[in-house]
Amino acid sequence: QSVLTQPPSVSAAPGQKVTISCSGSSSNIGNNYVSWFQHLPGTAPKLLIYDINKRPSGIPDRFSGSKSGTSATLGITGLQTGDEADYYCATWDTNLSAGVFGGGTRLTVL
Amino acid sequence: QITLKESGPTLVKPTQTLTLTCSFSGFSLSTPSVAVAWIRQPPGKALEWLAVIFWDDDKRYSPSLKSRITITKDASKSLVVLTMTNVDPVDTATYYCAQWIPSGTPGEHWGQGILVTVSS
Repeated sequence: QSVLTQPPSVSAAPGQKVTISCSGSSSNIGNNYVSWFQHLPGTAPKLLIYDINKRPSGIPDRFSGSKSGTSATLGITGLQTGDEADYYCATWDTNLSAGVFGGGTRLTVL
Repeated sequence: QITLKESGPTLVKPTQTLTLTCSFSGFSLSTPSVAVAWIRQPPGKALEWLAVIFWDDDKRYSPSLKSRITITKDASKSLVVLTMTNVDPVDTATYYCAQWIPSGTPGEHWGQGILVTVSS
């Protein structure tokens, strides 16, 4: 059971928009930055969003991040079949004094 | 260019001690605010954060694994080592090391990962 809660799966059609939620508490998301990762089988996780809503160089603006209270959201617009992957949120938990990941969300582009 | 690479045994027996090494380049673990973390992913399961070591030798561990893991560094050799004692088949996973960013999560630089199987 992950400290951060994500929906197990989401799906949408190509070209559409999807959002993935990440729910936590005041000890993690509520008072810390959030990052989002895309993970394809056999590869290292790829950083999509850091500091809640910043994109590393090379990440298209189709990917966006936001936070409200103790929840964070990853948004992906203009869905492509290549976006099919597992997505993870991550943050620091002040009470645990440890890093934490969400349970992951499998995105299917129908 | 920043790179990280994990190395170590790919097969260990239950109850043995697992030692993994992360070799990195392109940054120094002697520089303030720099850190390296270990993360793992059991087959078919989610990413799990294990530990992080900072430039000043501060260390943080996953509460559930704290009694079994140790993270150390040799900044002069650009190495970070993760040691896990008394391994069990549930420790079978792909283990990654990653550069840590100041906001408290892994950053964009990860190793390729190493699949470690625990089996007799």
